[in-house]
Amino acid sequence: ELKVEQNPLFLSMQEGKNYTIYCNYSTTSDRLYWYRQDPGKSLESLFVLLSNGAVKQEGRLMASLDTKARLSTLHITAAVHDLSATYFCAVVHPSDNAGNMLTFGGGTRLMVKP
Amino acid sequence: GAGVSQSPSNKVTEKGKDVELRCDPISGHTALYWYRQSLGQGLEFLIYFQGNSAPDKSGLPSDRFSAERTGGSVSTLTIQRTQQEDSAVYLCASSLTGLGQRFYNEQFFGPGTRLTVL
Repeated sequence: ELKVEQNPLFLSMQEGKNYTIYCNYSTTSDRLYWYRQDPGKSLESLFVLLSNGAVKQEGRLMASLDTKARLSTLHITAAVHDLSATYFCAVVHPSDNAGNMLTFGGGTRLMVKP
Repeated sequence: GAGVSQSPSNKVTEKGKDVELRCDPISGHTALYWYRQSLGQGLEFLIYFQGNSAPDKSGLPSDRFSAERTGGSVSTLTIQRTQQEDSAVYLCASSLTGLGQRFYNEQFFGPGTRLTVL
């Protein structure tokens, strides 16, 4: 059974600071997604990571994937209040999952304080 | 273009009643997924449709849950004899295809239906 764990589950940080969210998963996968969810809203796709060593950046967010370590990171640089949201990683198990269904981590609730 | 739409946005029902939740995927997307988001269980996969093939129901929590997809497009998730533990946000997602690996599998989510069972 594929398990996905995120940490921390809650993160309060000051504007201008840097921090990293971690996503570990239990079985081999070569596809990992990061989503953002604002309160009362749906999931917004941030990054799709498709191969070992993949790194993608958008604004103050950068995501990376290490398939050997079964680890993805979401790095926040010089945080701003607008980044406050809950962030989810989600993994597809490739070998027996022809439908590409997603298994989600528990989410990291990020609060950026002025 | 239009994204995934869901209706109703909110549904309050009494325990024991049946409810139907609707999902309109992005036009041209052949894969459709239902997920459930609850405080206790997080985000869970429920059911997956690919084109006109038989759905993958492996995530449905009980036989009170069922889903249909008509004409390869609109989908309806039905919960019979609702229980309080069914209270959650039900999210629908679609992707260009659910087949194959890596490409064109990115899932786009609808706004969700918040179900409250009293």
